[in-house]
Amino acid sequence: DGGITQSPKYLFRKEGQNVTLSCEQNLNHDAMYWYRQDPGQGLRLIYYSQIVNDFQKGDIAEGYSVSREKKESFPLTVTSAQKNPTAFYLCASSSRAFYNEQFFGPGTRLTVL
Amino acid sequence: SQQGEEDPQALSIQEGENATMNCSYKTSINNLQWYRQNSGRGLVHLILIRSNEREKHSGRLRVTLDTSKKSSSLLITASRAADTASYFCATDLSNDYKLSFGAGTTVTVRA
Repeated sequence: DGGITQSPKYLFRKEGQNVTLSCEQNLNHDAMYWYRQDPGQGLRLIYYSQIVNDFQKGDIAEGYSVSREKKESFPLTVTSAQKNPTAFYLCASSSRAFYNEQFFGPGTRLTVL
Repeated sequence: SQQGEEDPQALSIQEGENATMNCSYKTSINNLQWYRQNSGRGLVHLILIRSNEREKHSGRLRVTLDTSKKSSSLLITASRAADTASYFCATDLSNDYKLSFGAGTTVTVRA
């Protein structure tokens, strides 16, 4: 899983709560990404950031928010507006020169109780 | 949006056999990559093939790309139990740092 850490590994949330998933990288990468993975499906892009203090919505941004205050960190908040948040969440990073080669963290499995 | 589709969805082979999986995509691409995911883990980048390349090798992996058919294949030769994983193709349509992943092929290598 390279130099990317995600925490926690498992997270349980009650309906109506916001939760924040952590993603930290020490690879000196400019770009960072958040994906959602559901059973039997590929990865869907939630948000991505190419540089500090800048980020863009991906394909399924509704009900999620992010911040990029530091190069190393890209936390994802799953808000109560996300109707079906139970999923496996993966964070990734890449250099701007080789953006195709993304390095992934170990993932966080979020379950809504 | 997912533009890559892998085929088959699942594959079971005996150790030592070759495993072949395919990826089809819908629109023109800059590059295509293959990633591996062990159960419950993050993805690992395996190989990238550019749109002007037709074949690429890396160890026991062989990737082909046919842009006229909008398809790619990944061949794993002499498979091992450790190759048991899901394999995903990912394409990028433009230089905006975004990748589109397919739903993956789950490969099981039986000892």
